[in-house]
Amino acid sequence: GAGVSQSPSNKVTEKGKDVELRCDPISGHTALYWYRQSLGQGLEFLIYFQGNSAPDKSGLPSDRFSAERTGGSVSTLTIQRTQQEDSAVYLCASTPTGAANYGYTFGSGTRLTVV
Amino acid sequence: AQRVTQPEKLLSVFKGAPVELKCNYSYSGSPELFWYVQYSRQRLQLLLRHISRESIKGFTADLNKGETSFHLKKPFAQEEDSAMYYCALNTNAGKSTFGDGTTLTVKP
Repeated sequence: GAGVSQSPSNKVTEKGKDVELRCDPISGHTALYWYRQSLGQGLEFLIYFQGNSAPDKSGLPSDRFSAERTGGSVSTLTIQRTQQEDSAVYLCASTPTGAANYGYTFGSGTRLTVV
Repeated sequence: AQRVTQPEKLLSVFKGAPVELKCNYSYSGSPELFWYVQYSRQRLQLLLRHISRESIKGFTADLNKGETSFHLKKPFAQEEDSAMYYCALNTNAGKSTFGDGTTLTVKP
């Protein structure tokens, strides 16, 4: 597509429920990133996919968080048994390759509210 | 480990005044540095990269390896520059480390 697409744009869920967040990167971009943006704080790295390599999961805050990327394109971030501290804006970004000198193209984010 | 520090959470200037948003980094290797901007109700977008040495919307940023800084500057701020600005550091590991952001307000 023309840009990075994320869905849903807003999600309100009850504590303890599972949620799935979707990211559709720019066509042909091999690198895909998930970040979390909490109010008043910077962007927290969650996970990074590059081509067919094993993903860098070093930023996932707990084993309730997982992500997959199917066919090198669409990615889904899953949060199980959501907690109130999971409330944040979840951002997805992609780059043409994993090279360090490319800047990110971001999606518009999914605002997750856990009540 | 890499770290990015933006010491000012909030910065307010008058229209036409110079503005400088500070960014300091900590990384032992050769860094790639970026500034991103998020205008109200818009998505986060890339403003400029140090490697391209470009000026975007009148903004410039110079990498100073001695001071480990990458401050963003504009000689004459405009009201439309009001936004949240993030400095980011990328390494050969691919992922970026972001600062906490600076909210710039340009007053008329």
